[in-house]
Amino acid sequence: DTAVSQTPKYLVTQMGNDKSIKCEQNLGHDTMYWYKQDSKKFLKIMFSYNNKELIINETVPNRFSPKSPDKAHLNLHINSLELGDSAVYFCASSPGTGRNQPQHFGDGTRLSIL
Amino acid sequence: DQQVKQNSPSLSVQEGRISILNCDYTNSMFDYFLWYKKYPAEGPTFLISISSIKDKNEDGRFTVFLNKSAKHLSLHIVPSQPGDSAVYFCAASDGSNYKLTFGKGTLLTVNP
Repeated sequence: DTAVSQTPKYLVTQMGNDKSIKCEQNLGHDTMYWYKQDSKKFLKIMFSYNNKELIINETVPNRFSPKSPDKAHLNLHINSLELGDSAVYFCASSPGTGRNQPQHFGDGTRLSIL
Repeated sequence: DQQVKQNSPSLSVQEGRISILNCDYTNSMFDYFLWYKKYPAEGPTFLISISSIKDKNEDGRFTVFLNKSAKHLSLHIVPSQPGDSAVYFCAASDGSNYKLTFGKGTLLTVNP
């Protein structure tokens, strides 16, 4: 019974394509996040939503667009994929935005751009 | 600009011994620190945290120490077990928001 689930687990696609990654959490959390782990292994926050409202939007190309249809879902759509987008993307959720509320992560989506 | 640094990419210890994982930070505004553990092909899982008002926090075999003057924290695992073999990430946040800044991680291998 996965708490934070991401689909797909692997995504291989051509440069220039548009793709989406879906994330769902069944923990009843209010806050969700997208992180990117690049080839240097740094986990960097991209976006965060609290109760479907965007609260963190880091310096991310506007080819990346998050969408939160409800509190349990946060999807990531990427337009015109580039080689540098190859990375592992992690979705996470937390009960709220308090710092003593640890984030729960999904298992990641490995995106490879050919 | 790496605000959170884990300078040891890997660490190998014998089962039963102590594992010490280190983390340094440069941003003096950071006041809350967390450790996450990550197995291959899985997401990070929260392990333990510490606020800057404390210098130590303990949870079972895991203890985190914080030295604010040195901007350094460490995670001690005693005794180490083979199941502890994983990548350990240090993360930090400042008082203005809850955004986490992660280090690159340290791969811990505990040998039976």
